[in-house]
Amino acid sequence: QKEVEQDPGPLSVPEGAIVSLNCTYSNSAFQYFMWYRQYSRKGPELLMYTYSSGNKEDGRFTAQVDKSSKYISLFIRDSQPSDSATYLCAMNRLTGGGNKLTFGTGTQLKVEL
Amino acid sequence: NAGVTQTPKFRVLKTGQSMTLLCAQDMNHEYMYWYRQDPGMGLRLIHYSVGEGTTAKGEVPDGYNVSRLKKQNFLLGLESAAPSQTSVYFCASRLAGIYNEQFFGPGTRLTVL
Repeated sequence: QKEVEQDPGPLSVPEGAIVSLNCTYSNSAFQYFMWYRQYSRKGPELLMYTYSSGNKEDGRFTAQVDKSSKYISLFIRDSQPSDSATYLCAMNRLTGGGNKLTFGTGTQLKVEL
Repeated sequence: NAGVTQTPKFRVLKTGQSMTLLCAQDMNHEYMYWYRQDPGMGLRLIHYSVGEGTTAKGEVPDGYNVSRLKKQNFLLGLESAAPSQTSVYFCASRLAGIYNEQFFGPGTRLTVL
């Protein structure tokens, strides 16, 4: 079983829809949670991060963490065609050296006009 | 700032050939990482470095070697390429410390025939 599970999609939604992207994890040692966005044939770029349970909002994006359920989510409001990308969740243990990240497999999102 | 750059962008090798991928960063980051990204597998860590002259194994190190002779450069070597090493390779770097962002390069697409 993978430490981080993420539905690969693809997910197709109409412009303006609310999008929910999710990851589950099995290791309680993960303390720091991130969402990366990756456009086609580009490197990932950090979208949001959080290290506590609860919600964090940045514009149209909200990151939610529930450590008791080992579940994280990214919500995108008023989705735009420019949001079409692959979204990767990532997590960091505070121990083990190197501040290594463990990534989900990514969810491919397409926002259609 | 150029950020994280990778050379080359594309490469086709024959089985058994060797090559070196170069990653360079101009942000004075201590930590550097090499990942491979395959469909359905997400980003997997190959090797990483926490400072000049140091390297450590990641999740999938077999068949690869690395060197970090200068702080700004991290080289990934394939001594005898195999078709299983066909992938997209990403380099990333970050500052030391727990809550710092990993910045990714644009990737190298490698095909081994």
